[in-house]
Amino acid sequence: EVQLLESGGGLVQPGGSLRLSCAASGFTFSGYAMGWVRQAPGKGLEWVTAISASGSDIYYADSVKGRFTISRDNSKNTLYLQMNSLRAEDTAVHYCAKFWGVHPLYYHMDVWGKGTTVTVSS
Amino acid sequence: EIVLTQSPATLSLSPGEGATLSCGASQSVRSRKLAWYQQKPGLAPRLLIYEASTRATGIPDRFSGSGSGTDFTLTISRLEPEDFAVYYCQQYGDSPLTFGGGTKVEIK
Repeated sequence: EVQLLESGGGLVQPGGSLRLSCAASGFTFSGYAMGWVRQAPGKGLEWVTAISASGSDIYYADSVKGRFTISRDNSKNTLYLQMNSLRAEDTAVHYCAKFWGVHPLYYHMDVWGKGTTVTVSS
Repeated sequence: EIVLTQSPATLSLSPGEGATLSCGASQSVRSRKLAWYQQKPGLAPRLLIYEASTRATGIPDRFSGSGSGTDFTLTISRLEPEDFAVYYCQQYGDSPLTFGGGTKVEIK
């Protein structure tokens, strides 16, 4: 069974940092693009960032560019999101998602994790 | 950036009725790279439709997608109790990937 399990969420002060992890199982992790999507309380879905299967192509939403870094370790079947300079507006459930192909453009997200909650507050 | 506008924001219907949800794009969506997701409270989104009209694995055939260019539609032929949820469209043909604001299908 294909599974994605996020971890690393929590409460952090404005300006602080957090690293999210997404452990993948049930598929060949190195063969698929991966990404992060977030959802602020009571709001809609917002795409955050995505990375190709090899890690060579990376994309960010303007709202996180320069503050967040996506990476992957294909030997550990794990996706990461390093979040720096956190703001109150980054408060959200952060979902890890698998793309259907090797590149995040041209392929849909077919599997989602259950999400991990990030709260930025003093 | 491609802006996706979903309408209506809320649809109040009874079980057994049909539902038509719209998703309009600010510019043409490349190669019909548009997906629809269903989300229930407290749960992750679930893929329903990709490439505008292809049902994902395990999705009942009462769900259908259509459209191209800038106008897309999700149709639910007969609403079952478990279909009351929020539905999002999303384009993945261009960066940044973008989502619509969602349509809530609620029980009338």
